[in-house]
Amino acid sequence: GENVEQHPSTLSVQEGDSAVIKCTYSDSASNYFPWYKQELGKGPQLIIDIRSNVGEKKDQRIAVTLNKTAKHFSLHITETQPEDSAVYFCAALRTGGGNKLTFGTGTQLKVEL
Amino acid sequence: EPEVTQTPSHQVTQMGQEVILRCVPISNHLYFYWYRQILGQKVEFLVSFYNNEISEKSEIFDDQFSVERPDGSNFTLKIRSTKLEDSAMYFCASSEARIGGNTIYFGEGSWLTVV
Repeated sequence: GENVEQHPSTLSVQEGDSAVIKCTYSDSASNYFPWYKQELGKGPQLIIDIRSNVGEKKDQRIAVTLNKTAKHFSLHITETQPEDSAVYFCAALRTGGGNKLTFGTGTQLKVEL
Repeated sequence: EPEVTQTPSHQVTQMGQEVILRCVPISNHLYFYWYRQILGQKVEFLVSFYNNEISEKSEIFDDQFSVERPDGSNFTLKIRSTKLEDSAMYFCASSEARIGGNTIYFGEGSWLTVV
């Protein structure tokens, strides 16, 4: 089955700096890659996603890049703010079957003032 | 914005007791899911449900677990005889369709504590 690795497990940045979180996946048939933000005690909230026919996608301060050949994708947050502090999860899905999302292990991002 | 709603938000139960977690998926969604997250760990897939039947289930989803869509709006997860290791946050999720990896929206979770 699919396996998703995520690094780093914790990331501390100064407000205004950029943050980058990286994930790799094992199943070359995976074709949908969402990123979720999870605040303490809450459910995962989708922040951006990318499909395998696209190499990069941007939404304001957030961008995701996908390298299908290398089977890795990354989340980039620019001009970080304290409210960006949360746990971020990457995930991968292969269309077909039960639409199962396989999550990474999460990155605790802390944006310091 | 439409959202997935879950009840209860927190439940404490004795080991061996049955638990039912309830979810109301987003109204026009056709795919429903349960995931769980043990404290401090990643989110894990349990089961997906489409057209009134299970589409896929993980190895975690053994005979102690079952899902049901008892009416047109609710989607439930039942754990027949809870174990200590079932203590986790359980998330319900839903999506419009299957093809193309449509966005999967998660609820706020039901925190289950088995004592």
